[in-house]
Amino acid sequence: KAGVTQTPRYLIKTRGQQVTLSCSPISGHRSVSWYQQTPGQGLQFLFEYFSETQRNKGNFPGRFSGRQFSNSRSEMNVSTLELGDSALYLCASSPGQLHSPLHFGNGTRLTVT
Amino acid sequence: SQQGEEDPQALSIQEGENATMNCSYKTSINNLQWYRQNSGRGLVHLILIRSNEREKHSGRLRVTLDTSKKSSSLLITASRAADTASYFCATPSGSGGSNYKLTFGKGTLLTVNP
Repeated sequence: KAGVTQTPRYLIKTRGQQVTLSCSPISGHRSVSWYQQTPGQGLQFLFEYFSETQRNKGNFPGRFSGRQFSNSRSEMNVSTLELGDSALYLCASSPGQLHSPLHFGNGTRLTVT
Repeated sequence: SQQGEEDPQALSIQEGENATMNCSYKTSINNLQWYRQNSGRGLVHLILIRSNEREKHSGRLRVTLDTSKKSSSLLITASRAADTASYFCATPSGSGGSNYKLTFGKGTLLTVNP
């Protein structure tokens, strides 16, 4: 079974621009969640989607948004990029049931200059 | 707010030794999970222990959970250089009955020297 695939692997953007990151979950997994990882704040939850509906949202500004398609693939978008948005963005998928662990992709490394 | 807090922040041992990492959390949980992350890569799920379980084993891993103390420990026995990584505990919370807002601790950086 193919794992979670995130594209692109690396991204360099300029302040004020916007960016879209993509995530393809493991086949059959209906839940996709996104996390931001920085050295200072660690791993922080952004949002989780299940069957195209956002079920959970973290404490991030409205510049961070996401969506999930009918095939469970997900995208997250960050608008009006700030330097502090530089981070490793991780996507994880799961069947969405209680006690099912998350399967993470290798992330997208975003650098904002 | 930080739910899981790992201790120690960093641990350096020799190959063949055992490594123990601890995690404390604040609120009631359904389960507690441990993940490993190699530098710059995604997280890999290691083991999940449910709130009604006290101990769980998986290969060289042993996890304990004490819900009265709100703490967990991860023991890696007979460590190998390939175990060098950051280890995170995570606890789930979420609205609508879902459990997929995981809150991670800051992690323990384990270095296993050959």
